[in-house]
This record gives sequence, structure tokens and C-alpha cells, in this order.
Amino acid sequence: DVKVTQSSRYLVKRTGEKVFLECVQDMDHENMFWYRQDPGLGLRLIYFSYDVKMKEKGDIPEGYSVSREKKERFSLILESASTNQTSMYLCASTRADTDTQYFGPGTRLTVL
Amino acid sequence: AQSVTQLDSHVSVSEGTPVLLRCNYSSSYSPSLFWYVQHPNKGLQLLLKYTSAATLVKGINGFEAEFKKSETSFHLTKPSAHMSDAAEYFCVVSDRFGGDMRFGAGTRLTVKP
Repeated sequence: DVKVTQSSRYLVKRTGEKVFLECVQDMDHENMFWYRQDPGLGLRLIYFSYDVKMKEKGDIPEGYSVSREKKERFSLILESASTNQTSMYLCASTRADTDTQYFGPGTRLTVL
Repeated sequence: AQSVTQLDSHVSVSEGTPVLLRCNYSSSYSPSLFWYVQHPNKGLQLLLKYTSAATLVKGINGFEAEFKKSETSFHLTKPSAHMSDAAEYFCVVSDRFGGDMRFGAGTRLTVKP
């Protein structure tokens, strides 16, 4: 079974703090994704990566950056957290030859 | 450009009665279509996937979905709801290369005893 883990289930930060969300997958998948999930909006893609050190902007990259130094790990960074970044963040991964994504359990981030 | 519309934000059924969650899609390609389920405070779990092999797709937990190209629909059904089916369901369309997946807004399914 594919396993995608996220470093925290719940996180509370203050406005202006730098926030790191970590995602690790154990199935040697090439592609990794970061989404945010908000009620009534479904999932929106922030960034994705199709290889180590490669990244592509998704639909809502503003205020976020990412890092992929190793194939199994994809980090989402909020350089200066703001209250409108309070959300559920979901990480996913997939092989390069398929579009079936496997999701982590999510991190619920609250920015005060 | 691709998009998905889930026609109901909330569906409520009684235990043992049929479930119908509706999804319409728009795609320039021959798409992949998915249904995912999310239980409270959990990640998304794949229910089923359509990739053109067969128009009626069977998934886990007794769910199935039918691809209707003429209606651009991919509705999710189950003959008999169970209490454990209460969750949020997402319809997703993909360009098959994984780089452009579009999620619907979600349908919350409530199952009454």
C-alpha cells in the first residue's frame, strides 16, 4: 500500500511566522502535489513537482513556496503566514505514468 | 480547460435507501474521471476511476459510477446506504497526465438511521 504521511495533523501559528509543512511518500513516486481544501471550494492546487528540485505553480501559488530536495519528500513553506491561509492542507503523490493520486491525512493549519 | 460541477452540496438519505451523487464534467480531452471519499478529519481515499475501458465502473464499498459521454456526466451510486458512508465525496477530472486535475466542490452525504 502507498503511504503518504504529513508531519502534523494540527498546527497553530501566529501571523507573520514562517511555517513548514512536510510530506513524505514511501512508494518512489515521481510526482507530488500540495493542495489546500476550503469548504465549498473543493481542493485547489498550490504547487506540484514532477522530479527532485523541479516545481510547477498550481492555481493558487501566491504566498507559498515549495522545496523538493529528495524524491520522497515535498515541503510546503508559508514565508509569512497570514490569517487567510488558515485551511486544510493535503499532500498527494503519483507515479509519472498514471494520474491516480494518493493522499496524506492532511494538516489543519490555523493562523491567529 | 477542464472543470467539474457537483450538482448537490449536500445529500441526505436514510440507511438502506439508494444513494445518488451527481457530477457533470467538461474536458477538451478524453478524460480520466475519479470519485474520492473523505471521512471526517481524514485524507482522500480513491473510490473508483474511469479510464475508457468500460463505462460502468465499480469501486470499493459497493459504489459504482457510470460514464455518459452524451450527458458529460459521471454520477456515483450505491443501492443501499450504510451509516459508514456518511462523508464528503469529490468528483475529479484529469487530463490523464496528472498535471491538471480539477476537483469538484464536494458533496456531503448524510445517512439517517
